[in-house]
Amino acid sequence: AQKVTQAQTEISVVEKEDVTLDCVYETRDTTYYLFWYKQPPSGELVFLIRRNSFDEQNEISGRYSWNFQKSTSSFNFTITASQVVDSAVYFCALSEVTSGTYKYIFGTGTRLKVLA
Amino acid sequence: DAGVTQSPTHLIKTRGQHVTLRCSPISGHKSVSWYQQVLGQGPQFIFQYYEKEERGRGNFPDRFSARQFPNYSSELNVNALLLGDSALYLCASSLRTGARTGELFFGEGSRLTVL
Repeated sequence: AQKVTQAQTEISVVEKEDVTLDCVYETRDTTYYLFWYKQPPSGELVFLIRRNSFDEQNEISGRYSWNFQKSTSSFNFTITASQVVDSAVYFCALSEVTSGTYKYIFGTGTRLKVLA
Repeated sequence: DAGVTQSPTHLIKTRGQHVTLRCSPISGHKSVSWYQQVLGQGPQFIFQYYEKEERGRGNFPDRFSARQFPNYSSELNVNALLLGDSALYLCASSLRTGARTGELFFGEGSRLTVL
């Protein structure tokens, strides 16, 4: 069955520390997409990154970086030099299409608190 | 350009009542999906519509239904409300459907409280 696991429920760091959010997924499909979304207190989920199952190239975008490893079914997210504005709930998500039916599965989220 | 808009933002209902939530996607987006987010949990997929046709359905009872209109806006209907239906209902729009869509663009949600 498809599943996304975010084992870290809450992480607290001091500003300027680096922090990594873990995500492990399960799927039987060979073609799928992985995402990270950020949910600030306003409630609106904000897209951060998408990766497809054929692209294991890791990426750095400003203070954000992602580590996708199919061998361990992990898609981890790192914030470098964290800032108070990074405080939010971060969700990892898996998207796949099975027999023409779309499915999108979110993890339970990791609440990140960055302290000044 | 306006983002995804949802209405109402907050509402309170009692058990057994019916509710209709509305969503307007980003201009040019033809796909709308609905999610239920219970406090402290991740969003749970309810429905996806593309070009007015249902293209995906999550594990929700038949009390939940939705439709998409010719202008691509959408309604989510929930009948016979239960206390457990209290949640933030999120609407997301995207250009197309399926995994190739890329990112979803979310609205700020409709917070439903069932008493």
